Amino acid sequence: GQSLEQPSEVTAVEGAIVQINCTYQTSGFYGLSWYQQHDGGAPTFLSYNALDGLEETGRFSSFLSRSDSYGYLLLQELQMKDSASYFCAVSYNAGNMLTFGGGTRLMVKP
Amino acid sequence: DSGVTQTPKHLITATGQRVTLRCSPRSGDLSVYWYQQSLDQGLQFLIQYYNGEERAKGNILERFSAQQFPDLHSELNLSSLELGDSALYFCASSVEASLETQYFGPGTRLLVL
Repeated sequence: GQSLEQPSEVTAVEGAIVQINCTYQTSGFYGLSWYQQHDGGAPTFLSYNALDGLEETGRFSSFLSRSDSYGYLLLQELQMKDSASYFCAVSYNAGNMLTFGGGTRLMVKP
Repeated sequence: DSGVTQTPKHLITATGQRVTLRCSPRSGDLSVYWYQQSLDQGLQFLIQYYNGEERAKGNILERFSAQQFPDLHSELNLSSLELGDSALYFCASSVEASLETQYFGPGTRLLVL
């Protein structure tokens, strides 16, 4: 089967940098995605990594190491509006299947 | 606003009943995905359709079924409802059949009493 692990909660202060890790055990791994979900809202796509390395999109960056079955989402210059849940998701089976992690609840404090 | 619409927003029904959730993908998107999100199970992939054909199946119960119509909208049918089916049901869409970049609708909150 597929399994993903990410911390359940992370707290940081406004303006800081936070890293949310995701480790996975997946046969037929294809890629790693990150989604943001505010309370009561829908998940919003943030980033996708299929190859090793860092992908940067504004204040958010995502990293993947396929050999370590590990990735992370890096959020810089934290803002209060970044308080949300962040899900990593692995696609596998030639990209035809997707499994989400349990989510990390990020709380940004002033 | 992702461009994906879902109706209804809220649904309250009784055990044993059947409901239909509707999803309209973003204009131009051919793939539709259904997810269930509950407090204890997280976000679970149920099923994917691409251009009218079933493409991938996840943790979808036999009591649940879905289809995608020629105009690309999709419906998720939930039957013989149980208390444990109470959850948020999301639809997502993407241009191609890849799962990596999806746009989620606002969800339908189902409460089974």
